[in-house]
Amino acid sequence: QAQLQQSGPGLVKPSQTLSLTCTVPGGSISSGSYYWTWIRQPAGKGLEWIGRMYTSGSTNYNPSLKSRVTISGDTSKNQFSLKLSSVTAADTAVYYCARATHYGSGTYYRYYFDYWGQGTLVTVSS
Amino acid sequence: QSVLTQPPSVSGAPGQRVIISCTGSSSNIGAGFDVHWYQQLPGTSPKLIIYRNSNRPSGVPDRFSGSKSDTSASLAITGLQAEDEADYYCQSYDSLSDWVFGGGTKLTVL
Repeated sequence: QAQLQQSGPGLVKPSQTLSLTCTVPGGSISSGSYYWTWIRQPAGKGLEWIGRMYTSGSTNYNPSLKSRVTISGDTSKNQFSLKLSSVTAADTAVYYCARATHYGSGTYYRYYFDYWGQGTLVTVSS
Repeated sequence: QSVLTQPPSVSGAPGQRVIISCTGSSSNIGAGFDVHWYQQLPGTSPKLIIYRNSNRPSGVPDRFSGSKSDTSASLAITGLQAEDEADYYCQSYDSLSDWVFGGGTKLTVL
């Protein structure tokens, strides 16, 4: 049921920057009431929201990761990307991109994740 | 430690009914924010099965239902089937932490 297509390396060295890209087929990342989102899942653990980018390009990040995260978009390729700097073994996880769709009125609290990427296992190791 | 608390595991025999709870607080579910539920089959991406507390996306069987009350929410699965064996996650908004997930519940079909 994955509708978004992820790409990027599965192995990153400690202290380097993790970079992943998500391609949105058949649509535009700059239109509609959507947040383009990154979520991760360490092995055997739960889901953690990393950050989001609105169709306007504005971004918000999980406070616990904010100092290391950058999410950006390329409208010409209909892609959005994640960069996580200064990675350590604790950043080893499956990373997912997802679309958050708005409903009703209100802001951040009126969204659910309806489309997901296939997931990318990123291992931080030398 | 997740902001939303779920039981680590639940189990049931085929045909039975199981309920998965999701307990929050006054800064999330208790503040009136909606709860959404996701099913993650082994080795796959999460899939939305309940949104806005009790609504099913197209294609999700009506065996799945959701409810919310006070500071908690529940996912009920009736007529349990072998293919329901998966991890289930609740998700909401928290005024202190933004978008949050529960720790996940592993459903085992006996």
